[in-house]
Amino acid sequence: GESVGLHLPTLSVQEGDNSIINCAYSNSASDYFIWYKQESGKGPQFIIDIRSNMDKRQGQRVTVLLNKTVKHLSLQIAATQPGDSAVYFCAETSNSGYSTLTFGKGTMLLVSP
Amino acid sequence: NAGVTQTPKFRILKIGQSMTLQCTQDMNHNYMYWYRQDPGMGLKLIYYSVGAGITDKGEVPNGYNVSRSTTEDFPLRLELAAPSQTSVYFCASSYGENQPQHFGDGTRLSIL
Repeated sequence: GESVGLHLPTLSVQEGDNSIINCAYSNSASDYFIWYKQESGKGPQFIIDIRSNMDKRQGQRVTVLLNKTVKHLSLQIAATQPGDSAVYFCAETSNSGYSTLTFGKGTMLLVSP
Repeated sequence: NAGVTQTPKFRILKIGQSMTLQCTQDMNHNYMYWYRQDPGMGLKLIYYSVGAGITDKGEVPNGYNVSRSTTEDFPLRLELAAPSQTSVYFCASSYGENQPQHFGDGTRLSIL
């Protein structure tokens, strides 16, 4: 199967717990941030995004928090389910020229029943 | 809802061979991208396009070429395959700048 899980930070939680996945970014000019979920053998799937003029955004069972002061992004997943097990990537874009994404290395989330 | 479709899903090449990875999207997105993903790593941008007839280099363009003759299609060409190009390749598209990118399921390429 996919080997993207090698050497990745791993978060192990029990089903029903809340999960928090963290991401540090380095470009203070970044103004748009995205979280993706990647299951084994599949492409990244968009979860939620946030722009730099916000510090919090909520979706269905997910919340993204942005702290521009310390350049930190987090993804909170409520009531984590086994189907949430995957690798999660944060990505940032900048507003200089055409926007492209810079991806972090990812965090593997393992949810035990 | 096909979204972004990549072909082939798997391919094994010999060193020095050439091939084209196909990518097509049916969402009428202007922006299209090619990434590679190596084990345990995030995605690195190879090339991108902001519209038909316009392409630009990303972070790791060496050894690759692209073209964008239509809005829908964005093929990636490897001219002289090298072992360092063994990777999983993802194509993505987005409506515009600072918009979510939608990914295909990837092409797994091995060069031996």
